[in-house]
Amino acid sequence: AQKITQTQPGMFVQEKEAVTLDCTYDTSDQSYGLFWYKQPSSGEMIFLIYQGSYDEQNATEGRYSLNFQKARKSANLVISASQLGDSAMYFCAMREGLEGYQKVTFGIGTKLQVIP
Amino acid sequence: GAVVSQHPSRVICKSGTSVKIECRSLDFQATTMFWYRQFPKQSLMLMATSNEGSKATYEQGVEKDKFLINHASLTLSTLTVTSAHPEDSSFYICSALPITSDEQFFGPGTRLTVL
Repeated sequence: AQKITQTQPGMFVQEKEAVTLDCTYDTSDQSYGLFWYKQPSSGEMIFLIYQGSYDEQNATEGRYSLNFQKARKSANLVISASQLGDSAMYFCAMREGLEGYQKVTFGIGTKLQVIP
Repeated sequence: GAVVSQHPSRVICKSGTSVKIECRSLDFQATTMFWYRQFPKQSLMLMATSNEGSKATYEQGVEKDKFLINHASLTLSTLTVTSAHPEDSSFYICSALPITSDEQFFGPGTRLTVL
């Protein structure tokens, strides 16, 4: 079974609107971390946001928030007030364990295009 | 802070030759570095975990004799693709884990094209 599932190959959003990118995960571990990364066409991976499995509140970083629903095993990324520069691939990822040296598994990604 | 560089950024080589890719943490020390491969329009796939001063741990299906990893110092790991073939053409990305952090920082990637 896939550990990270992103079901939206591509998404469009109007500039200044909010958009939700879906991510579900599969793990039997109690301790894990969830990440979202942005990959523009240049290829670099840009860290956006992190949610630990024991964090009770949803993580937020500026215009990014993570809608963490533990029982449903979902970790959707919400981008508010979309900007043209947000157009990129977005990857959800999971680390099984809370230690940095542990393996991170990535989803297949969602391509977001922001329309002027 | 937390900058990771990769060199070269792009490389084109002939089939059968070897290519070395460097991953450097510029402003921090990293006991652990990770090497990923990303085929076009696909996700990042972990190839191996590189630990300073010890042998790398390879993921299932990754040939250790083909993808040689050396992590000789706390700021440098190298990936050598030996006897490269066209199917090795891909985007190779490294990440480095600072000694004092649980967050890995990614390099800008190296695009390898094997003719």
